[in-house]
Amino acid sequence: EDKVVQSPLSLVVHEGDTVTLNCSYEVTNFRSLLWYKQEKKAPTFLFMLTSSGIEKKSGRLSSILDKKELFSILNITATQTGDSAVYLCAFITGGGNKLTFGTGTQLKVEL
Amino acid sequence: SAVISQKPSRDICQRGTSLTIQCQVDSQVTMMFWYRQQPGQSLTLIATANQGSEATYESGFVIDKFPISRPNLTFSTLTVSNMSPEDSSIYLCSGEGTVTYNEQFFGPGTRLTVL
Repeated sequence: EDKVVQSPLSLVVHEGDTVTLNCSYEVTNFRSLLWYKQEKKAPTFLFMLTSSGIEKKSGRLSSILDKKELFSILNITATQTGDSAVYLCAFITGGGNKLTFGTGTQLKVEL
Repeated sequence: SAVISQKPSRDICQRGTSLTIQCQVDSQVTMMFWYRQQPGQSLTLIATANQGSEATYESGFVIDKFPISRPNLTFSTLTVSNMSPEDSSIYLCSGEGTVTYNEQFFGPGTRLTVL
């Protein structure tokens, strides 16, 4: 059975801090890993990673995938209160396009 | 990216009744999906809505409880039938991105409370 573990489960930091969120996985027929930010209801797409070692970057956020050690990290630098959200990683496996989500990391950024 | 809207945004329903949730995409998408997010939990896939054929349900979800329609490439509905308090959740639809294959975008969700 596919397994996705995100750590930490929750995290409280101060504005300006840098955070690293981890997503470890054991999945069969891996195709892609996706990161989402969920603030209220709808998850917002951040990154899709398919190849190992290639960093994806968008502003203060960046992410990289390690297919040998089976994990991905999401980095957020110079955090702001608007970064407070649940961050979800998800996988696409096999021949279909359905997403399997991890349990998420709850991030709270305080002033 | 595709823009997805859902109706209603929230509802409070009585036990034993049914609710139909609508999902509209502003462009044609090949794949549409329905997810459930129970309180404090992550998202769980209910089914893949297939255009022109019956939906494909995940383990633990059945058509009698969650009938789905997908009459065209921009629209789908999910019905939550014979509701019980355990069905209280956020229900989200998603569509596969038209720019990058496998990139799924989500609707704003429907928050359902069953009394």
